[in-house]
Order: sequence, then C-alpha cells, then structure tokens
Amino acid sequence: AQSVTQLGSHVSVSEGALVLLRCNYSSSVPPYLFWYVQYPNQGLQLLLKYTSAATLVKGINGFEAEFKKSETSFHLTKPSAHMSDAAEYFCAVTLDNYGQNFVFGPGTRLSVLP
Amino acid sequence: SQTIHQWPATLVQPVGSPLSLECTVEGTSNPNLYWYRQAAGRGLQLLFYSVGIGQISSEVPQNLSASRPQDRQFILSSKKLLLSDSGFYLCASVEVARANVLTFGAGSRLTVL
Repeated sequence: AQSVTQLGSHVSVSEGALVLLRCNYSSSVPPYLFWYVQYPNQGLQLLLKYTSAATLVKGINGFEAEFKKSETSFHLTKPSAHMSDAAEYFCAVTLDNYGQNFVFGPGTRLSVLP
Repeated sequence: SQTIHQWPATLVQPVGSPLSLECTVEGTSNPNLYWYRQAAGRGLQLLFYSVGIGQISSEVPQNLSASRPQDRQFILSSKKLLLSDSGFYLCASVEVARANVLTFGAGSRLTVL
C-alpha cells in the first residue's frame, strides 16, 4: 500500500525567501502525485500534479515540484515566498486512474513572516 | 470543469441530535464522490466514497452514514451526534477528464456541543 510523509508539520519562512516543503512517498509502482493547498476554512485546491510526464512540474502561484524516483520524493518549492502563500499544504498520492485510493500526507502549515 | 457545492457551510448541533450534510456536483456526470473529515490540527480522513447511485463504501467504522440518492448528490448523515464528530467535512469528486484529480468543495464546519 502507498503512503505519504511530509517532513515538518510547520514551516516558517521570511517573505521573499525560498519555500521548500518536503514530501516522500512509498509505492510499489510509479504513482500519480499531487500537491494541494488549503486556506483557512476553505476546501483544498490543486496546486500541481505529476502524472508520468515531465519530472519537473509547474503549478499555480509560482510553485513547482520535482519528481525524483530514486529518492521517492516530490518536494514543493517556490523561489520567493509571499504573505499570501501562508496556508496548509498537502501532498497526496494515488496509483489508479479513478481516485479510489488517494492517500494524503498529514500536511505542512506554512507561515510567512514579514 | 466541475463545481462542488456543500451546505450548510457551518453548523452547531447538540450531542445526540441528527445531522445531514449535503453535497452536489455540477459540470460532470457519473463522478466518484468522497466524504473526508478534518479534525482540528489533523490531516484528512477518508470517511466514505461512492462510485455510483446507491453504492457506498465505508472506510472507517463510526457514527456516520452516507447515501447517494442521485448521480451528483452525496449526503452525510448521523442519527445521533457525538462530541467527537466535530470537524471540517469536505466533499470531493474525481473528474475522469482531468486525469484523476480530486476536486473539493468549500467544506462544512460542524461543532457538536
């Protein structure tokens, strides 16, 4: 069965600094990987997804993630943090085409300091 | 693309009272539908999923039940709420045309007192 770990339940960065949120997965076959963002009292919004095309995936709001099979990682980065990036970020994995087995990581809360 | 509507957005209920949360989906047909719960400070817990009308799979034994009376309608219910049922409930749908991406509704926040 697949699983997802996110290192760091809370990450703080200064405005303008690099954002790095870590995600590692375990899976017996190449998975589909996703990053979602959740703002307070809202649903989850898709940031980006990896579906076996290019290993470097660009998403919305300047975020990108790189799939590294050898490291079983899918870390999320953004070169320069904005105050509006403060939110909860979830990494997720699924093996199938119909989403019946989505597994979410525990989430990382990102704080952006002025 | 699809849109997911959830209501009510917030709900405060006494222990032992019934519950009904509704989710409807627009812009797609025959979606897979999901109910997730987020307890305070915790991640997402899958409660139920449905692949079609009347077809419900339960992931966690609990005080809740789900029903799918129509293709694009998914209802979460309880006959008697417990304090532990408090949380943020999210409905989600898979749109096959978007290659298994889960789309979420805005959520329903339930507080049981």
